[in-house]
Amino acid sequence: QKEVEQDPGPLSVPEGAIVSLNCTYSNSAFQYFMWYRQYSRKGPELLMYTYSSGNKEDGRFTAQVDKSSKYISLFIRDSQPSDSATYLCAMNSAGGTSYGKLTFGQGTILTVHP
Amino acid sequence: DTEVTQTPKHLVMGMTNKKSLKCEQHMGHRAMYWYKQKAKKPPELMFVYSYEKLSINESVPSRFSPECPNSSLLNLHLHALQPEDSALYLCASSQDPRPGARGNTIYFGEGSWLTVV
Repeated sequence: QKEVEQDPGPLSVPEGAIVSLNCTYSNSAFQYFMWYRQYSRKGPELLMYTYSSGNKEDGRFTAQVDKSSKYISLFIRDSQPSDSATYLCAMNSAGGTSYGKLTFGQGTILTVHP
Repeated sequence: DTEVTQTPKHLVMGMTNKKSLKCEQHMGHRAMYWYKQKAKKPPELMFVYSYEKLSINESVPSRFSPECPNSSLLNLHLHALQPEDSALYLCASSQDPRPGARGNTIYFGEGSWLTVV
């Protein structure tokens, strides 16, 4: 079983839809949670970063973390064609030999149709 | 725009060549990373530098040789690569590599596309 499981998709939604992207994890040591957006042939771009359970909002994006259920989500409101990309969840622990090592989900390809 | 700059953006090299990938950041970050990404896969960690010292090597073959000349620069020297090493090589950095620090946010560059022929 992978440490991080991400809903594989792909997802195809109409413009303006609310998108929900989800990851579960098994390692209780994970404390920091990130969402990256990666356009084709580009590097991952950090969208959201959080280290506590609850919701964090930034514009049209909301990151949700539930540490008790080991579940994180990214919600995109009013989705736009420019949101079409691969979304990667990532997480790491606070210290020890794994410090700095991000564990990624497999990625979800999102397409937003005009 | 990302503040982690990588050069070159594209590189084609033969299996007997020696080449280098370069990375630069001016955010004052003290941890720098090399990741490798194959098509339709997430990035995989190769190396971590913390305060210019190699702290993690994820059992990477010796044909990949990292170097951190100073806190802003990170190089990846390539020698005798195989076609299966063709991938996107990503450099990344984060603010504070000390265990327990909250500067864990990792920022990636645009990557260097490497093709080994």
